[in-house]
Amino acid sequence: AQSVTQLDSHVSVSEGTPVLLRCNYSSSYSPSLFWYVQHPNKGLQLLLKYTSAATLVKGINGFEAEFKKSETSFHLTKPSAHMSDAAEYFCVVRSSTLGRLYFGRGTQLTVWP
Amino acid sequence: DVKVTQSSRYLVKRTGEKVFLECVQDMDHENMFWYRQDPGLGLRLIYFSYDVKMKEKGDIPEGYSVSREKKERFSLILESASTNQTSMYLCASSLPLAGGPVSIYEQYFGPGTRLTVT
Repeated sequence: AQSVTQLDSHVSVSEGTPVLLRCNYSSSYSPSLFWYVQHPNKGLQLLLKYTSAATLVKGINGFEAEFKKSETSFHLTKPSAHMSDAAEYFCVVRSSTLGRLYFGRGTQLTVWP
Repeated sequence: DVKVTQSSRYLVKRTGEKVFLECVQDMDHENMFWYRQDPGLGLRLIYFSYDVKMKEKGDIPEGYSVSREKKERFSLILESASTNQTSMYLCASSLPLAGGPVSIYEQYFGPGTRLTVT
C-alpha cells in the first residue's frame, strides 16, 4: 500500500528565508511522487513530479524536491520565500495500478513580511 | 490546456435532498476522479472511473454514487444529503498509466464545488 506523511501541518517563515516542507512516503516499489499547491480559493496546481529520472526535481516558482530512497523522503524546498508562496501544499504518491493518487494531509505555509 | 470544469462553485442543499455534482473535461482523458477535501485531512478519494460505465470505489464511497455515461462527463451523486457531507468536492481527470519506469502522469483538477448541507 502507498501513503505519504507530511510532517508539519503548519510552517511559518519570513520573506526571503528558506522554505522546507517535509514529506515521507511509504511504497512497496519505486514510487512516483508529486507536490501540489493550492492557493486560497484556487484550484490545485502541480508544482513538481518525480518519476525516477533524476533524484533532484525542479518545479515551478523556484521550488525543488529531492527523492531520498534511503530516508523514504521527498522534501520540498525553496531557497528564498516570497509572499506569493503562502498556500497549502500537498505531497502525493501515485499508485502503480489505475493511476490513483494518495494525498498527504497538507502543510499550510505562511510567509511573514 | 486541459480544462476540467465543475457545474457549480457553491451549492447549498437541505438534508435529505438528492444532489448531483457534474464534472466535464475536454482532453479526452480516460480516467476521472472525485475527491472531497476537508481541513486537516487533505484530499480523500470517493470514486474513480477509468472508462465509460466503469467505476471503482475509493477510500470513502459511503453515501455517494457516480455515473459515467460519456467519456468527458463524470457525475457524483449524493442520494440523500447529510450535514456530514458538507465539504469541498474536487474533480480530476488524467490519461491512463502508460506503463514503464518513465511514465509521465498528471491529474488535472477542476476548481471545486463547495457544498453546504443544512
